[in-house]
Amino acid sequence: SAVISQKPSRDICQRGTSLTIQCQVDSQVTMMFWYRQQPGQSLTLIATANQGSEATYESGFVIDKFPISRPNLTFSTLTVSNMSPEDSSIYLCSASGVNTEAFFGQGTRLTVV
Amino acid sequence: AQRVTQPEKLLSVFKGAPVELKCNYSYSGSPELFWYVQYSRQRLQLLLRHISRESIKGFTADLNKGETSFHLKKPFAQEEDSAMYYCALSGPGTYKYIFGTGTRLKVLA
Repeated sequence: SAVISQKPSRDICQRGTSLTIQCQVDSQVTMMFWYRQQPGQSLTLIATANQGSEATYESGFVIDKFPISRPNLTFSTLTVSNMSPEDSSIYLCSASGVNTEAFFGQGTRLTVV
Repeated sequence: AQRVTQPEKLLSVFKGAPVELKCNYSYSGSPELFWYVQYSRQRLQLLLRHISRESIKGFTADLNKGETSFHLKKPFAQEEDSAMYYCALSGPGTYKYIFGTGTRLKVLA
């Protein structure tokens, strides 16, 4: 399967600031997704990153808070905006090809202070 | 509601003992079911998917539609099986996952 690289792997940010996480896949994929894993909890889907158009957000997540871009088939970014301590989580990028299961990046561990 | 339930947060077994990690789901329709594993300091990786019916690292999982379950089993646990295991479902072909809360498996020497 393809390999996903996420940057940064971790960061400590001040509340009120924004952080952009990058996700690069080493081959073309059909679908790209962003998940959040809050401390002690499971992974929750934030949105599907659509190439060349607005992302599709899951219930409870909005574009103003989590703007997402996907300019091509192999790259996507997630921005966590106006951060608060409650945004401290691991953020994971995921991708899948045609009729293949999803694979995951190593995650970005975000701490908001 | 669409949901995946893993009732055990932690499961400890001795090396050589059988292992069963439970997973139940709720979904209107015919989902695809998966088991993902995360070893210490590694990324989440696919262990099994129900449509392939493969055995990976000695693990098997059978989809029971009547009981809406997809339990993960291994007859003889090994220390290297110690990891976090997540059960997940998706709509057919979507690969947008709903994850369970995960079960940490500890295999004791």
